[in-house]
Amino acid sequence: DVKVTQSSRYLVKRTGEKVFLECVQDMDHENMFWYRQDPGLGLRLIYFSYDVKMKEKGDIPEGYSVSREKKERFSLILESASTNQTSMYLCASSQNGAPGNTIYFGEGSWLTVV
Amino acid sequence: GNSVTQMEGPVTLSEEAFLTINCTYTATGYPSLFWYVQYPGEGLQLLLKATKADDKGSNKGFEATYRKETTSFHLEKGSVQVSDSAVYFCALTQASGYSTLTFGKGTMLLVSP
Repeated sequence: DVKVTQSSRYLVKRTGEKVFLECVQDMDHENMFWYRQDPGLGLRLIYFSYDVKMKEKGDIPEGYSVSREKKERFSLILESASTNQTSMYLCASSQNGAPGNTIYFGEGSWLTVV
Repeated sequence: GNSVTQMEGPVTLSEEAFLTINCTYTATGYPSLFWYVQYPGEGLQLLLKATKADDKGSNKGFEATYRKETTSFHLEKGSVQVSDSAVYFCALTQASGYSTLTFGKGTMLLVSP
């Protein structure tokens, strides 16, 4: 089975802190994604990566950056956390960009910024 | 751009009732269509998918048929169980370019005994 692991399930951070959310997948997938989930808004794509050191902006990249130094690991970085970034963050991966490929999700990271 | 519209919830049903959750989409070409399910406190799991027109995806008693003519992918189940209580997301990936998921806003299903 594909496993996407998000290292932190629950985090509480202060406004202005730098926050790292880590994600690892174990199936040698090329594509990795970060989404945030908010009530009434569904899931929105923040950033994705289709290869090591490659990244593309999603729908809501402002206030975030990402890092993909190794194929299995994709990190989401909040340079200076703000209260409006309190949310559930979901990491995902897929084998490649072929149409119809299944995208697999991690368990999610609940971030509260106070 | 691409978009997915699904019925707002919550949908409240009694056990063994018939379920329909409507989903329509806007996209160019022939997108692939997905239903994901999220149980309380968990991430998303793929429930079923269809990659071309008239395909039927099915899993765990749930079904959805890719209807190009009505741009729809409605989720159905003949007899729901309490354990089906969850949030259901309809989503698509576009036919070309990067395969990123565009989601609907989700529909909460509550099934009572």
